[in-house]
Amino acid sequence: KAGVTQTPRYLIKTRGQQVTLSCSPISGHRSVSWYQQTPGQGLQFLFEYFSETQRNKGNFPGRFSGRQFSNSRSEMNVSTLELGDSALYLCASRASDLNPGYTFGSGTRLTVV
Amino acid sequence: DQQVKQNSPSLSVQEGRISILNCDYTNSMFDYFLWYKKYPAEGPTFLISISSIKDKNEDGRFTVFLNKSAKHLSLHIVPSQPGDSAVYFCAASAGVKFYFGSGTKLNVKP
Repeated sequence: KAGVTQTPRYLIKTRGQQVTLSCSPISGHRSVSWYQQTPGQGLQFLFEYFSETQRNKGNFPGRFSGRQFSNSRSEMNVSTLELGDSALYLCASRASDLNPGYTFGSGTRLTVV
Repeated sequence: DQQVKQNSPSLSVQEGRISILNCDYTNSMFDYFLWYKKYPAEGPTFLISISSIKDKNEDGRFTVFLNKSAKHLSLHIVPSQPGDSAVYFCAASAGVKFYFGSGTKLNVKP
């Protein structure tokens, strides 16, 4: 079966712009989480969606938002981009809470100039 | 507030020897622990996990040890192979939320 698909793979934006990243989870997976990876900071949790509802949220400013659609696909939006938002954004999915391991996508590399 | 810490950013090991990657956590409510492996330009892939009711889990060359009293987790790779060179993340969960460490870059030299 297809893995977690993230689009686009690479993105360059300028400060002040907004960006939308997309994630298609593995078919049948209802939980989708987003993480930000920066050098030395590991994977910082952004938020998790389950059945179209945001279930958990990390410590990121309100400029970071997301949503999940009825087909479990998820989008993440960052408004008023800052240079520090440059990072690899990873999406991960799992079938249910009974499956503790996530399957990650390859990520979207966002560069803010 | 980093609840999961990997204090060694990098580790270099000779091929055939043992690699030991360490992870410390602060939250005693964590009940499930995982290790992920990440190659450049790819997402992390699940490697091995352990429940808090166990102290050891083995899968081929990979063994994870859990010391709950010390709040310490380690991953042993024996024998190490050049293809194991990657960044390794440990993760812990309490319920549905996961916390990741900052990663350790393992370099296995031929």
